[in-house]
Amino acid sequence: QSVLTQPPSVSAAPGQKVTISCSGSSSNIGNNYVSWYQQLPGTAPKVLIYENNKRPSGIPDRLSGSKSGTSATLGITGLQTGDEADYYCATWDSSLSGVVFGGGTKLTVL
Amino acid sequence: EVHLVESGGGLVQPGGSLRLSCAASGFTFSSYSMNWVRQAPGKGLEWLSYISGGRSTIYYADSVKGRFTISRDNAKGSLYLQMNNLSAEDTALYYCATDGGSYFSSWGQGTQVTVSS
Repeated sequence: QSVLTQPPSVSAAPGQKVTISCSGSSSNIGNNYVSWYQQLPGTAPKVLIYENNKRPSGIPDRLSGSKSGTSATLGITGLQTGDEADYYCATWDSSLSGVVFGGGTKLTVL
Repeated sequence: EVHLVESGGGLVQPGGSLRLSCAASGFTFSSYSMNWVRQAPGKGLEWLSYISGGRSTIYYADSVKGRFTISRDNAKGSLYLQMNNLSAEDTALYYCATDGGSYFSSWGQGTQVTVSS
């Protein structure tokens, strides 16, 4: 069982918006930056969001990140079939002195 | 452009050892902290270990502490993971990743480790 809790799956139609939640505690999300990763089938993960809400160069602004208290959220608007992937949140856990990941969320674009 | 290439994976018997390598290029390797992350078949991502650029700071996940050792050779631009006393639960795809300060900024393509008799 993962330290960070994500829904196993989410789905939405093309063009719609979806949000993926990531719930933790004060020892991780509550006091540390959150990052989000996309893993397309058969490929290595890629960072989408870092420091809660910053996008690396090349990541479109239809992706967004936010954090409130001990939870974080990844938002994707204008869904495309190419967005079908697994998404993971991650952060430092001060109690564990290590990085923790969420269990991952499979996004299906119907 | 950052380029990371893992190698050293393979089939190993339970209780055996393996040393993974990660060859880095396209950036000043010694200036970056590095990480190892793994993914068991059909499972999520699991962070394993972190090493700072100057090797002064090292962290391990509890699941590998005492069995795995992270190291680096800045002159060679290489990161390593020595894995001992392997079990079936260590079967996974192992990635190296650059550390962006609070996130994994670049990833290699991974090297497969299979522990089986």
